[in-house]
Amino acid sequence: RKEVEQDPGPFNVPEGATVAFNCTYSNSASQSFFWYRQDCRKEPKLLMSVYSSGNEDGRFTAQLNRASQYISLLIRDSKLSDSATYLCVVRWDSNYQLIWGAGTKLIIKP
Amino acid sequence: DVKVTQSSRYLVKRTGEKVFLECVQDMDHENMFWYRQDPGLGLRLIYFSYDVKMKEKGDIPEGYSVSREKKERFSLILESASTNQTSMYLCASSPTRGVVNEQFFGPGTRLTVL
Repeated sequence: RKEVEQDPGPFNVPEGATVAFNCTYSNSASQSFFWYRQDCRKEPKLLMSVYSSGNEDGRFTAQLNRASQYISLLIRDSKLSDSATYLCVVRWDSNYQLIWGAGTKLIIKP
Repeated sequence: DVKVTQSSRYLVKRTGEKVFLECVQDMDHENMFWYRQDPGLGLRLIYFSYDVKMKEKGDIPEGYSVSREKKERFSLILESASTNQTSMYLCASSPTRGVVNEQFFGPGTRLTVL
């Protein structure tokens, strides 16, 4: 069974705080990992890819833990504009197939 | 910028109607995809295509068909719409045949079947 699991939230976080969420995946043969962001009533957009060595882009850091089969997303100094749903995506062994988590909703409060 | 457009943002149809959802991408991408998104569930792949006139079933193809007559256009067809097909439909494309990394999405079509 293909599974990518996320805590649906919502995570209610004050502006300026640090927040982190995880995503677990069931297939140990998974090849690639991504975080997408989806704003309310909008389409998903790629936030960042997740590499074995980790990946940092400004306030966002993504990590991969293959042994425990999870990826994480850390957001530092959170902004009101970070409020969105964050989707975890895993590419299975098939090159065409991406498996999507249901998303974690993040709400940043002033 | 990659642009993926979908023919309608909102659509209301009756049970049993034939429904066409159109998707066009303007960046010469090889791969195109149709997903549906429902609350509490991840995006689920209906069909994808990696070449003109080619199509492959995704996880939930039942009740749907697709057509790709031109590289830039990928159509989703609901042969006889049912209420359980009420959903948000998202079209996506990606550039390289044989590899799917980043996908670029259209704005979505929210379909309601009465």
